Parts: sequence; C-alpha cells; structure tokens
Amino acid sequence: DAGVIQSPRHEVTEMGQEVTLRCKPISGHNSLFWYRQTMMRGLELLIYFNNNVPIDDSGMPEDRFSAKMPNASFSTLKIQPSEPRDSAVYFCASSWGAGADTQYFGPGTRLTVL
Amino acid sequence: DQQVKQNSPSLSVQEGRISILNCDYTNSMFDYFLWYKKYPAEGPTFLISISSIKDKNEDGRFTVFLNKSAKHLSLHIVPSQPGDSAVYFCAASYNNNDMRFGAGTRLTVKP
Repeated sequence: DAGVIQSPRHEVTEMGQEVTLRCKPISGHNSLFWYRQTMMRGLELLIYFNNNVPIDDSGMPEDRFSAKMPNASFSTLKIQPSEPRDSAVYFCASSWGAGADTQYFGPGTRLTVL
Repeated sequence: DQQVKQNSPSLSVQEGRISILNCDYTNSMFDYFLWYKKYPAEGPTFLISISSIKDKNEDGRFTVFLNKSAKHLSLHIVPSQPGDSAVYFCAASYNNNDMRFGAGTRLTVKP
C-alpha cells in the first residue's frame, strides 16, 4: 500500500494567488482529515470527512479556506486568496473510522506564501 | 482553544537514559489518548495509545501513563536511543469524535 499521498510536496506562491492541495487517502479508509502544522499551534484539525461527507469544519480558519471530497479516493483543500499567514505544513490523514481510530498521515505539503 | 497542551517544546536526554514527555488536557470528556511520532519531512506516525479505563499501557520501550484526576498523561521511553529523536505529539478524542493534537515536543537523544 502506498499510504496517504499528498501533492504537491512543496508550494511557493504569491499573496493573493489560489492554492490547491491534493490528497489521496488509503484505499478502504472511510475518514479523511486535513491538518495544519505551525510552530505556535502545533497540529490543528481543519476539517474531516466521513464517507465523503464533511462532518466537522469548525477548524477551517475563514472563508478563504474550502475543502472537497468528490469521491472516496480524492480530496482537495483550497485557499483563495492565499495570505502569508497561511504559510505552514498541511497534512492529510485517513483512517478506517473517525475519532479514536489510528490515523495514517501523508508526508505533508509545505506551503509558503510570499 | 488548546484542549491538549504540551508545555515543553523541547527535551534533550542522553542515550540510554529515560525520556519523559508530558501532556495535559482540559476536556474531562476525552476518553482516548494517543502519541504520534514525527520525523522531519514526514507525516506523524502512530506510536502508542491508551483508553481512559486504563492508567498504563506498555509497548516495548514505550509506556504511556494516564492520570485522569490530574488530566495528565506522559510518555516514557526507556532506554532512549538516538533514533528516537523526533517530534512527539499527544492527541485526545472523546466519544469517537475527531482528535485534538498538542503542539508537540521535540526530543533529542544524544549519543
């Protein structure tokens, strides 16, 4: 199994540009999570899906952030327009179920907004 | 609101000694706790977990202790090895809902 796949691994963009991060979860997993890691706040949960349906998006910082999961094997996290304070590492994780089930993380996307 | 707190951003120990990483939480409803380990340029990986019905769980060199009255858990690594050098995240969940992570503690094990 290839594990959770994220692309791109690195993204450098200018303020105001649209950024799209992609994730392919482990086949058969029912839940998908998007996290943001910063030095100050550690790992923050942004949103999670269960069976392709968004369950909790209370962690999404503002309307500039949106996430979709059109099918069980693909999800996107979009930031439009991007700002320098969005610079962070964004992780996608998947699990069989929600909550207490072990989550398997992707390698992350390091986003730099200039 | 940080419901899971790791107040020590870093910890340095000598190889062979014990490493103790601490985690505090504020939500008394949390009933499941996990530790994840993260190497540079990689995603976090699951290390060990404990249910709130237990106060200790051991897996090889790794032991997690839970003190519910103090809302505190700790991860003990004995003996520590240089390969244990990584960032360790504490996480908690309740009623099978989504998980909350701490800010992480960077452990450095010196040879």
